[in-house]
Amino acid sequence: NAGVTQTPKFQVLKTGQSMTLQCAQDMNHEYMSWYRQDPGMGLRLIHYSVGAGITDQGEVPNGYNVSRSTTEDFPLRLLSAAPSQTSVYFCASSYSIRRDRGRNEQFFGPGTRLTVL
Amino acid sequence: TQLLEQSPQFLSIQEGENLTVYCNSSSVFSSLQWYRQEPGEGPVLLVTVVTGGEVKKLKRLTFQFGDARKDSSLHITAAQPGDTGLYLCAGARTNAGKSTFGDGTTLTVKP
Repeated sequence: NAGVTQTPKFQVLKTGQSMTLQCAQDMNHEYMSWYRQDPGMGLRLIHYSVGAGITDQGEVPNGYNVSRSTTEDFPLRLLSAAPSQTSVYFCASSYSIRRDRGRNEQFFGPGTRLTVL
Repeated sequence: TQLLEQSPQFLSIQEGENLTVYCNSSSVFSSLQWYRQEPGEGPVLLVTVVTGGEVKKLKRLTFQFGDARKDSSLHITAAQPGDTGLYLCAGARTNAGKSTFGDGTTLTVKP
């Protein structure tokens, strides 16, 4: 199993450009989440999904869109990049709370380091 | 609103010393996870605690969940340079579908 994969690993954008960060998992996990991590801070939840076709907003959703058409994939779209979106982005997956007995033990991808100029 | 507060934020110690990291909240969680993250990588799960008062040991690391399931601690005995990293706690609530993370504790263990 590859686990959670993310592409690209690094990306530089100009203000106003759009792009999609890819995330895929091969563990048949129901739950998937996107986080951003800024210096000196932990992980802040952007969007999450509890299954194919179901998404919801996290703490910091503005400027980002997601969709979940399959169990495996959960892309994150930046609509119009801003310097404030410079960050490291992590995708994570886990079994459902029901299957995981309330644990939500997450597996993380290696991250995408995004710089917006 | 920061639901999980970790302390201290930074910790620099000599090899062989002991240390404790705290994760506190005013909210009750169904479970709490501890992760470790090394530079340039994603967080990796260390342990999950689910029962109030539970204590789990992972070699030199001891994890405890508070009786009321609102707080947790991580104690490292005889720290080694390989323990260096960012330690994150995360709380989950039943049926919520998401976790809340603390801001992390950056640990540096000097040889």
